[in-house]
Parts: sequence; C-alpha cells; structure tokens
Amino acid sequence: AQSVTQLGSHVSVSEGALVLLRCNYSSSVPPYLFWYVQYPNQGLQLLLKYTSAATLVKGINGFEAEFKKSETSFHLTKPSAHMSDAAEYFCAVIRGGATNKLIFGTGTLLAVQP
Amino acid sequence: GAVVSQHPSWVICKSGTSVKIECRSLDFQATTMFWYRQFPKQSLMLMATSNEGSKATYEQGVEKDKFLINHASLTLSTLTVTSAHPEDSSFYICSARDKSAGNYGYTFGSGTRLTVV
Repeated sequence: AQSVTQLGSHVSVSEGALVLLRCNYSSSVPPYLFWYVQYPNQGLQLLLKYTSAATLVKGINGFEAEFKKSETSFHLTKPSAHMSDAAEYFCAVIRGGATNKLIFGTGTLLAVQP
Repeated sequence: GAVVSQHPSWVICKSGTSVKIECRSLDFQATTMFWYRQFPKQSLMLMATSNEGSKATYEQGVEKDKFLINHASLTLSTLTVTSAHPEDSSFYICSARDKSAGNYGYTFGSGTRLTVV
C-alpha cells in the first residue's frame, strides 16, 4: 500500500535560510503526492501536489518540491524562510482504490528563528 | 476556490453525551468526504470515508457505532461522537473531494477541537 515517510519531526532554520523538508514515498504504482501546511488549531492548506505531470512542482508561498523516482523522494524546499513559514508540514499520498484516500506522513514542525 | 465549512470549531461536552460535527462544502459538490482525527503533535489519522447516499467505510480499529457518519447530500456530511468519553478528546478534521477538480482536489475544513470532561 502507498505510504509516505517524513524524516525529521522538527526542523529549525534561521530566517532567510533554505528550508528543506524531507518526504520519501513507498508505492508500487506511480504515486500522487501532496504537501500540506497546518497552522495551530486550523485545518490543512494545500501547498502543492504532484500528479505525474512536471517533476518540479511549484506551489504557493514560494515553496516547491521535486519528484525524484530514483530516490523515491518528494522533498519540499523554499529558498528563503520567513517567520510566517513556522508551522506543521505534512506530506501525503493517495492510497488508491475506489475512494482515493489521502494518507499522511507523521509531519514536520518547522521553526524559524529570527 | 473550494471552501469547506466545519462547525463547531471547538466544543466541550460532558462524558456520556453525544456531539455532532458538521462539514459543508460551500461552493462545490463533494461526492466523497473524509474524516480525520488528530492527537496533539501527531499526524492525521483517517477514520472513515463517506460517499453521498451510502454508508460510510471505516478504517480498521475505528468503532462505527461510536463515530456515526452521515453523508445525506452532496454538500453535507456529519460526524457524531456518541457517548463521548475523555479519550475521545481530539482534533477532528473533515476533507471533501471536489468532483469538478478531478480525483485530486481535496479541501479541508478548519477542524473541531473536542474536549470531553
């Protein structure tokens, strides 16, 4: 069954530094992958998604992710962190079948230091 | 863009009572809705999937008699936590799939913080 693994439950960067959040997937078929952001006590907001088109996916708020089949990875990056980027980030994959369930990784809490 | 309205945003109830959480898709038809549960500092765990007009499909380990899901229309799904106990305290989030966005347009509600005392 399709799944995702997020390495690093906590990541801390300085404001203006590169953000790199890691996600590896496991899938026997071409996966559909997503990155979501969650602010405290709120729902999830879609940052970007990969649905087998371009391997480099650009999302909102300056984030992007690259699908690398050889590495089974879909890491999220942002060139320059902003204080407002501090939040929880979830990688997700669609688990196929009739209902296409969205299954989440364990999440990475991003802290941005001034 | 697609919006999912979830109410209430927080609720406190006494042990043994039931609580209903509503999830509405405001500007699109949601053929499928998903209900998730999130414990503090943890990920979202899928509880059940509901399709309009049919019975919900529950994930392994989720008590269907405890968590009643109704998806009576293309814009409304409800989750009722019956005979709630303190261990049911959690953050519940719904997600609706936008039919017009194909199979990969998922929109999330803002969540409901349930505290059972």
